[in-house]
Amino acid sequence: SQELEQSPQSLIVQEGKNLTINCTSSKTLYGLYWYKQKYGEGLIFLMMLQKGGEEKSHEKITAKLDEKKQQSSLHITASQPSHAGIYLCGADIGGQNFVFGPGTRLSVLP
Amino acid sequence: DAGVIQSPRHEVTEMGQEVTLRCKPISGHNSLFWYRQTMMRGLELLIYFNNNVPIDDSGMPEDRFSAKMPNASFSTLKIQPSEPRDSAVYFCASSLTGGKNIQYFGAGTRLSVL
Repeated sequence: SQELEQSPQSLIVQEGKNLTINCTSSKTLYGLYWYKQKYGEGLIFLMMLQKGGEEKSHEKITAKLDEKKQQSSLHITASQPSHAGIYLCGADIGGQNFVFGPGTRLSVLP
Repeated sequence: DAGVIQSPRHEVTEMGQEVTLRCKPISGHNSLFWYRQTMMRGLELLIYFNNNVPIDDSGMPEDRFSAKMPNASFSTLKIQPSEPRDSAVYFCASSLTGGKNIQYFGAGTRLSVL
């Protein structure tokens, strides 16, 4: 989707390192969702953010939505091989429209 | 709950053949989405149903694609005739009331059109 951009496109990190993935929109986001996809599988919901400035954490993953509600970041602390996969942001951009970003492919080297 | 169930998991067919993909949403969910995922275009929403009624089919590529939801527990996506460029992974997802809620995805159907 061109409405959502993600950076970086791919990321290779050593186990134990921290990393951040960004999701940016040119439009106000009414809801921002982070999903993870493993190869050959469907998407698994991680977190949902709806309010400007909101931050949520689950285990070693933290997601934030900026005050203007146009950018979100996903931060993984002390990465593990189990964190490897494709991370996609999805967003409610108003009306009936829901779009996904192109995804960030994460590899974690043991 | 078993989650969203899609069948078949893999489909290989020849150009020109009809292909039918099936989806059983999570019981109690009243919204259903069909997506297509390719390396070039990423994850694209094809069509979205709410209470079995198609709400937005603007993502359906062309008339060769059609989707139905005859009841709350079953949906199909049909491609007739299929073309090699239709090769992709097709996902079905369901949610409680629309795209503003968490979507739960099936494992997908990997379609190869030769």
